[in-house]
Order: sequence, then structure tokens, then C-alpha cells
Amino acid sequence: KQEVTQIPAALSVPEGENLVLNCSFTDSAIYNLQWFRQDPGKGLTSLLLIQSSQREQTSGRLNASLDKSSGRSTLYIAASQPGDSATYLCAVVSIYGQNFVFGPGTRLSVLP
Amino acid sequence: DAGVTQSPTHLIKTRGQQVTLRCSPKSGHDTVSWYQQALGQGPQFIFQYYEEEERQRGNFPDRFSGHQFPNYSSELNVNALLLGDSALYLCASRQRGAGTDTQYFGPGTRLTVL
Repeated sequence: KQEVTQIPAALSVPEGENLVLNCSFTDSAIYNLQWFRQDPGKGLTSLLLIQSSQREQTSGRLNASLDKSSGRSTLYIAASQPGDSATYLCAVVSIYGQNFVFGPGTRLSVLP
Repeated sequence: DAGVTQSPTHLIKTRGQQVTLRCSPKSGHDTVSWYQQALGQGPQFIFQYYEEEERQRGNFPDRFSGHQFPNYSSELNVNALLLGDSALYLCASRQRGAGTDTQYFGPGTRLTVL
């Protein structure tokens, strides 16, 4: 059974810092991995998608890497801003099914 | 394009009652999945529908059931509500055969069970 964990559970940083969010998964037989952002009480916004054959993806100040063999992904946020404050969720899709398995999320607060 | 829509936005029920949540998929999408997100946790997969049938199911009891209509919209029904059913219920849609990168989530329905 696929399990996804995320470290840290919560993070508070001053504006302008670069930061790294970590995601681990137990089964390397994945189709892809996605990072989502969720604002309080809201739905999910997809940030970055990494296919199983890829090593990383970049979008603006965000960079996500994938090491499938070790079951790890990192989300790097450069020059953090207060508007980045949200919960960041990592999710994998197994090659055996098309549903997401989510981690518990990292709650990020960027202080002005 | 309205994207994925869900109704109602919020709902309050008491233990033992039954509830129905609704989801309209993004235009062109024929596959709908439902997720439950308890407070402080990541979403958990409930089930997926396409061609009006349940195709995959997560680890949820039979109290959770669903339906998909010919226009691809979907309902999630929960019977005999428990306090632990309080959560944000998310609907996601995609086009069958397309990858999950084309899957879109709705804003969710917040269910509170008292």
C-alpha cells in the first residue's frame, strides 16, 4: 500500500527566504507526482507535475525534483513571499490506478 | 468554462442523517473522482465513476455511495452520518484516457456533522 509523508508538518519563515519542502513515498511504482497548493478551506491548485521519467520541473520561483528510486521529492520555493502562505500537498499516482495518494501536507507561513 | 463545480458549499447535519453532495465536471470531462479531506490531513480517495459506474474504490465503508448521471455529473451519498464524517469533500474530473495531469479539482463541500 502506497504511503506518502511530508516533512516538515509546518514551517514559518521570514519573507525572502529560500525554502525546501520534502515528500517521501513508499512504493516507487508511480505514474507521476504532483505538488498542490491549498488555501484554507479551499480546493486544490496544481503547482507542478513530474512524470515518472522526469527528474525535475520548474515554474517561476518553484522547482520540484523527483528521485523515484529513493522515493523522494522536494519542492524548492525561491525568495518566499507572504502570498506563498498556504498548505502544500504532495500526491503520487500509482501505475496500478489513476487516483491520487496524498501526503498530509506542509503548512507554510511566510511572515512579512 | 466554469471548471469543476460543487454544491452545496457548506452543509451541517446531525449524526445518523443522510447527505448528498453534488459535482459537475469540467466541460469535456467524463470521469469523476471523490476525495475526503479531514481537518489537517491530506485528501483520501473515496471512489471514481465513469460511464455511470463505480470503477475504483478506496478504503471507505458502504455508507459511502455514489452515482453518475448521463451528463457526467455525479453525486456522493453518505448514510448514517458519524461525527468522523466531518470533512471537506473534494470532487475531481478528467477525461477518461487522459493522464492525471489533466485532472481538475473543485472547491469542495464542507460537511459538518454535529
